[in-house]
Amino acid sequence: QVQLVQSGAEVKKPGASVKVSCKASGYTFTSYYMHWVRQAPGQGLEWMGIINPSGGSTSYAQKFQGRVTMTRDTSTSTVYMELSSLRSEDTAVYYCAELEILGYWGQGTLVTVSS
Amino acid sequence: DIQMTQSPSSLSASVGDRVTITCRASQGIRNDLGWYQQKPGKAPKRLIYAASSLQSGVPSRFSGSGSGTEFTLTISSLQPEDFATYYCLQHNSYPPLTFGGGTKVEIK
Repeated sequence: QVQLVQSGAEVKKPGASVKVSCKASGYTFTSYYMHWVRQAPGQGLEWMGIINPSGGSTSYAQKFQGRVTMTRDTSTSTVYMELSSLRSEDTAVYYCAELEILGYWGQGTLVTVSS
Repeated sequence: DIQMTQSPSSLSASVGDRVTITCRASQGIRNDLGWYQQKPGKAPKRLIYAASSLQSGVPSRFSGSGSGTEFTLTISSLQPEDFATYYCLQHNSYPPLTFGGGTKVEIK
């Protein structure tokens, strides 16, 4: 069965970076684009960007341009999302998800930014 | 950017009620729309894809309709486990993909 398993919760100080991983299984990793979505406490869903696991090309929401980097490792079927220059407003649950065909989501990774 | 306007933002309903949630796109998105259910502390779960196709394993009381700019999610007979927040998502044109603002379905 399709599974997206994300790395564990993180606590970071303002100005630091965080890197969240998402390991895919149960399907051909390079066949489907992977998206990243975040959800601040009590808020709605916010799309951050997309990576093509096959070629590695990416596209980011304008809000995160310059601060987010999405990469992938085809040898381990894992995608990564790194967010830099963290501020308190980045405190959120971060999800990887295949949003267009399969409709599967990871379990989410809570990132807390606090001094 | 395509804006997704979802309504209502919340509603109160009783078990057995018929519930309808609407999403309106700021421009035509064909049928490139999904509906998601999210319960507290959990990842969203897709209910409907391609505007009207039921995701495998999802109860048939959920249905979706629409194309172009107007879309509807209907729960034909609300069950206790259906109390949750629902989101629409357009994936016709990006960046960015855009979600509706969400509809919280509460117990009356």
